[in-house]
Order: sequence, then structure tokens, then C-alpha cells
Amino acid sequence: GESVGLHLPTLSVQEGDNSIINCAYSNSASDYFIWYKQESGKGPQFIIDIRSNMDKRQGQRVTVLLNKTVKHLSLQIAATQPGDSAVYFCAEMPYTGTASKLTFGTGTRLQVTL
Amino acid sequence: DTGVSQNPRHKITKRGQNVTFRCDPISEHNRLYWYRQTLGQGPEFLTYFQNEAQLEKSRLLSDRFSAERPKGSFSTLEIQRTEQGDSAMYLCASSSKTGYEQYFGPGTRLTVT
Repeated sequence: GESVGLHLPTLSVQEGDNSIINCAYSNSASDYFIWYKQESGKGPQFIIDIRSNMDKRQGQRVTVLLNKTVKHLSLQIAATQPGDSAVYFCAEMPYTGTASKLTFGTGTRLQVTL
Repeated sequence: DTGVSQNPRHKITKRGQNVTFRCDPISEHNRLYWYRQTLGQGPEFLTYFQNEAQLEKSRLLSDRFSAERPKGSFSTLEIQRTEQGDSAMYLCASSSKTGYEQYFGPGTRLTVT
């Protein structure tokens, strides 16, 4: 299949270690943030989301941190596994009262080494 | 499979030809979105529908592009007089009106030669 993100920043992590992927967003009016995982040849897959009234949210092996002061978002993956290898995108959505379009950031390629 | 589906998965066409892509959203979702993704970039918003109404179109959507969702279910994206710069992955996503989560389909990879 085709490759996603040939020239993206790359994070190499050893299997079992924790991964931290960072994202800076630009719109201070953004109210909702999502992390997506995209494997080669596939569409983005929802991982975890967070609203602007929160600064941390945990899922299964993943944690998202939101720092509105510096407009920074991070995704932490615990005990990284080979299946986590993919390109990760953060996306933001402004508050309009209902769901609307997403604006995606530059992705990060996560490579998990054995 | 109850996820978002897109057809075809791959399309190769010659410059100047017209192409049409189809997206079938998750059945209970009334919002449907189209995005375009080029290599090395995140998806870029093109347009979205609530039921059959097209609510917003990006400046990226030139007059050669048209999208429809006639019965508020599946949607089609047509590109007329394709150009090499149209080569990209075209992604469809759907969500409920009040749900912020957008679920993406596998995409249609367009190559214009």
C-alpha cells in the first residue's frame, strides 16, 4: 500500500517504552481536540479526544494532555507495542455548538523498534 | 461491516477526465465530511453535509469539484477535468450532529496521469 507521511517527523521508540507525541495548535478558539492514528493505506482511526474544559484524559494505554496556555497537546502511549507503529495526527475543532470540520496538524511517524 | 465505506479504493485517470467517488457513512450519522490528503500532510477539509444540506465548502473546493448527498445517506464527490494536482487520497468521515467524533473511511486514492 501507499505510504503516509514520507517526510514527517519521526519518533523511534523501543518496544515496551512509553511514547510521547506532541502537537501545537494555532486556534485559541478551538474547543475540541482529537488524536488519530493512521496506518499506511488506511483512513485515520480515532484514538482519544479531549474538550477544552479538561487538561487530561486517559484511555486504554493512552493519555492526552492539553495545555491551553501554550496551545499544546500531547499524546502519551504506555508500553508501546509494534502495532502502535503508524503516523499520528492531532486535530482541532472550533466550538460552534455542534460538530463541524476538523483542522489537522502535521503528523508524527512513530516507529517501534524491537 | 458498519463503518464508513468508500468506493473505489483506487482510481487512475488521465488528465482531463471526470471522476466520481462514493462514500457510505455510518447509517445513523447525519453529518458527512470530505477531506483530501496528500503525501506527508494531514487531511484537509473540503466540505460537509448535514443530511442532504451542504453546510460548508472550503476554498480548496474549486468549481471543478462538486459534492452531493441527495437523500441524506451516501454522498458522491465528482471532479471534472482532472489535473495532476488533484492526485491525492480523498477521505470521507461521518458523525452524528451532536457527536464530535468523526469516523473515517479507508479513502479513495486518486492518481491523475
